[in-house]
Amino acid sequence: NAGVTQTPKFQVLKTGQSMTLQCAQDMNHNSMYWYRQDPGMGLRLIYYSASEGTTDKGEVPNGYNVSRLNKREFSLRLESAAPSQTSVYFCASSDWGEYTGELFFGEGSRLTVL
Amino acid sequence: DAKTTQPPSMDCAEGRAANLPCNHSTISGNEYVYWYRQIHSQGPQYIIHGLKNNETNEMASLIITEDRKSSTLILPHATLRDTAVYYCIVPSAFSGSGYALNFGKGTSLLVTP
Repeated sequence: NAGVTQTPKFQVLKTGQSMTLQCAQDMNHNSMYWYRQDPGMGLRLIYYSASEGTTDKGEVPNGYNVSRLNKREFSLRLESAAPSQTSVYFCASSDWGEYTGELFFGEGSRLTVL
Repeated sequence: DAKTTQPPSMDCAEGRAANLPCNHSTISGNEYVYWYRQIHSQGPQYIIHGLKNNETNEMASLIITEDRKSSTLILPHATLRDTAVYYCIVPSAFSGSGYALNFGKGTSLLVTP
């Protein structure tokens, strides 16, 4: 059981380049999330998807776009990378009951923008 | 949305109980309190959650005050592997079904030999 799988695990970009971070989960979860974590900081929510076909902005959405391709996959795209987007990106998924649920996280994707 | 407040850091001796406090004074009646931890640079890991009763699982215990304005995560016998950042979270409901978890800076727990 793979859980949440992120690719790539490491990436170096030059300013202005574009790239897509891929995330897939095999737990049949409805909700998926993208977070970023800068050194010494907590996780900040970029975008989330409550269910297939829906996406919503989180705390720090500027400079990013997302696609919920199907129930399994949720991708994060940087159209024109900036050094400020150097960070570790985490994807997560969850299924929620009435008020409760648990987030399962991937191992993270470490992005450096030069 | 209920905000949480945690001390930035704490120390605990190996084998002793680690008691991590969290304030959530604006929590509403149907909002749960969740605890996650993050070891080094790994993805966060779920620990426990509760509404108003004390909860216990194989990892930890969660004590919630009667007025629900604060809670304490207890690691009964801390080990070196419990050194991590611990996050106390009250999820925010989003439209449709489901919740968003906003992680703050958490409490950095250092367990010493």
